Amino acid sequence: AQTVTQSQPEMSVQEAETVTLSCTYDTSENNYYLFWYKQPPSRQMILVIRQEAYKQQNATENRFSVNFQKAAKSFSLKISDSQLGDTAMYFCAFNTNAGKSTFGDGTTLTVKP
Amino acid sequence: KAGVTQTPRYLIKTRGQQVTLSCSPISGHRSVSWYQQTPGQGLQFLFEYFSETQRNKGNFPGRFSGRQFSNSRSEMNVSTLELGDSALYLCASSLPGGRGGEQYFGPGTRLTVT
Repeated sequence: AQTVTQSQPEMSVQEAETVTLSCTYDTSENNYYLFWYKQPPSRQMILVIRQEAYKQQNATENRFSVNFQKAAKSFSLKISDSQLGDTAMYFCAFNTNAGKSTFGDGTTLTVKP
Repeated sequence: KAGVTQTPRYLIKTRGQQVTLSCSPISGHRSVSWYQQTPGQGLQFLFEYFSETQRNKGNFPGRFSGRQFSNSRSEMNVSTLELGDSALYLCASSLPGGRGGEQYFGPGTRLTVT
């Protein structure tokens, strides 16, 4: 069974600064996908970024980037130039190309003005 | 293209009753998954339906059931409601085999059991 661990229940960052959210996972699979999802307060969960395990290059999406360490089973999210709209709960998720994702417990990020 | 829709958005039920939640996936998405989100347990996978068949199932009691129709719309039913069933129920749709299991979530149905 896969497990996903997010060790930081809450984090805060000043607007315009950089913050890194941590995620580790455990699996015996070799081919899989990792995601970061964002759930703003009382709003819909949306995908932030995805990473294919077979790709060594770290994924980036504008201000969001990941540090994927396959051997260490680590998948952290870096948010650069943090904005107030980044305030949300962030979930790390694991998927093996089926409709079943395993989620971490989430990290509540607060961006302070 | 319209996103994933869920109805109703809010629901209050009494312990012992049953409830049915509905989910309409993004057009063209044939996989629909259901998750239960609670503050204490986080996001827990309930089940996934693909082409009207349950393809994956989580560790929930038999009181939780679902189905999928030929138009890919899905319903989830919870019978004999318990206080612990109070949660946000999220539906997610995806393209099977496309973009590695990336899922698109609906706004959720907030169920309160009193």
